[in-house]
Amino acid sequence: EAGVAQSPRYKIIEKRQSVAFWCNPISGHATLYWYQQILGQGPKLLIQFQNNGVVDDSQLPKDRFSAERLKGVDSTLKIQPAKLEDSAVYLCASSLGDSGVSTDTQYFGPGTRLTVL
Amino acid sequence: DQQVKQNSPSLSVQEGRISILNCDYTNSMFDYFLWYKKYPAEGPTFLISISSIKDKNEDGRFTVFLNKSAKHLSLHIVPSQPGDSAVYFCAASVNTGTASKLTFGTGTRLQVTL
Repeated sequence: EAGVAQSPRYKIIEKRQSVAFWCNPISGHATLYWYQQILGQGPKLLIQFQNNGVVDDSQLPKDRFSAERLKGVDSTLKIQPAKLEDSAVYLCASSLGDSGVSTDTQYFGPGTRLTVL
Repeated sequence: DQQVKQNSPSLSVQEGRISILNCDYTNSMFDYFLWYKKYPAEGPTFLISISSIKDKNEDGRFTVFLNKSAKHLSLHIVPSQPGDSAVYFCAASVNTGTASKLTFGTGTRLQVTL
């Protein structure tokens, strides 16, 4: 079974530029998550989709970050404009999405390492 | 407000000995706990989990213990192997009614030496 795919793996941009990340979840997984992991910290949830609807975006900096999941499969996360503090690894995860039960295990992609200069 | 804490940033253990990784939490609403393992340049990989209604779950060399009254869980790896060298994240989940939300600790880097 193919895992969660993400691209690109690495990205270097200058501050105030824009950047986009792509995620393809495990086939059949209804729930998709985007996390930000700053060096030395654990992953922090940015946004969670159930199919193509947003269920939690409370920690997404909406003035500069946006995400979409068209057709309930692939997803893109965009940052515009980027700031120095956005340097982090951006992780995508997916899960079956069993009506929000806590035991719904999340499976992670390899992440995209973003460096903002 | 860090609801899940891993107070040991690193741990070094000899091959064949037991590794014990600890995690504390503050939110009594958490009802499911997970451990993830992360190698460099890879995403976290699910390792083992435990429901809040249990106090122990075992899977091969890995055992997770939960002490609800102390809001503490631990991961035991016996025997430790060099391939276990990685960063281990503790995570806790709460069902919000519409979604399951994971909160991660800051991780513990385990080094298994020969």
